[in-house]
Amino acid sequence: QVQLQESGPGLVKPSQTLSLTCTVSDGSINSGGYYWSWIRQHPGKGLEWIGHIYNSGSTYYNPSLKSRVTISADTSKNQFSLKLSSVTAADTAVYYCARVSVDWLLFDYWGQGTLVTVSS
Amino acid sequence: QSALTQPASVSGSPGQSITISCTGTSSDVGGYSYVSWYQQHPGKAPKLMIYDVSNRPSGVSNRFSGSKSGNTASLTISGLQAEDDADYYCSSYTTSSTVVFGGGTKLTVV
Repeated sequence: QVQLQESGPGLVKPSQTLSLTCTVSDGSINSGGYYWSWIRQHPGKGLEWIGHIYNSGSTYYNPSLKSRVTISADTSKNQFSLKLSSVTAADTAVYYCARVSVDWLLFDYWGQGTLVTVSS
Repeated sequence: QSALTQPASVSGSPGQSITISCTGTSSDVGGYSYVSWYQQHPGKAPKLMIYDVSNRPSGVSNRFSGSKSGNTASLTISGLQAEDDADYYCSSYTTSSTVVFGGGTKLTVV
């Protein structure tokens, strides 16, 4: 069973870059057939898709975040990463990584989520 | 892209049936069968309940069913149980090759 685990700083200062990594176990991010995605959830709010990467190369981003987001992959470590630049308090959220089936566009495996707070 | 529109809350008694709607546009819900539904309990990651409008993953109760008409998808839960008390989100693929979620619906089993 595929497992995903987010890691990274829980506190980021305003205007800095938020960086998170998702480590995937029991499944290769390079095997094809899946997007590897980031989603966030503001406190008490709904889910917001941030973007995903396919085959360690092609990336797709939420238009509202596109100018600040970079998703990349490190196949040697079986990890993919999120960078969100110029953060503000509005970027405070629980960040999830997830696997997405290319065939059905369904999010079938999720990490547990990690809370990132933007504050000075 | 705008979030898909879901009712903020619905409620039902044990044993009853409820339906949650998810309204989009022809560029997302209406244009594709890639509509999924997720259940989220407090402090937990979302769990896939329905995919491709009406398909259930292995292990999901057949009390959960999905449908779509035009730009609106629906999730129906029959025989409500206390454990169904949770937040529910729909998602859809879009013509921009992106994904959009609904705003979420809080289901209360009273």
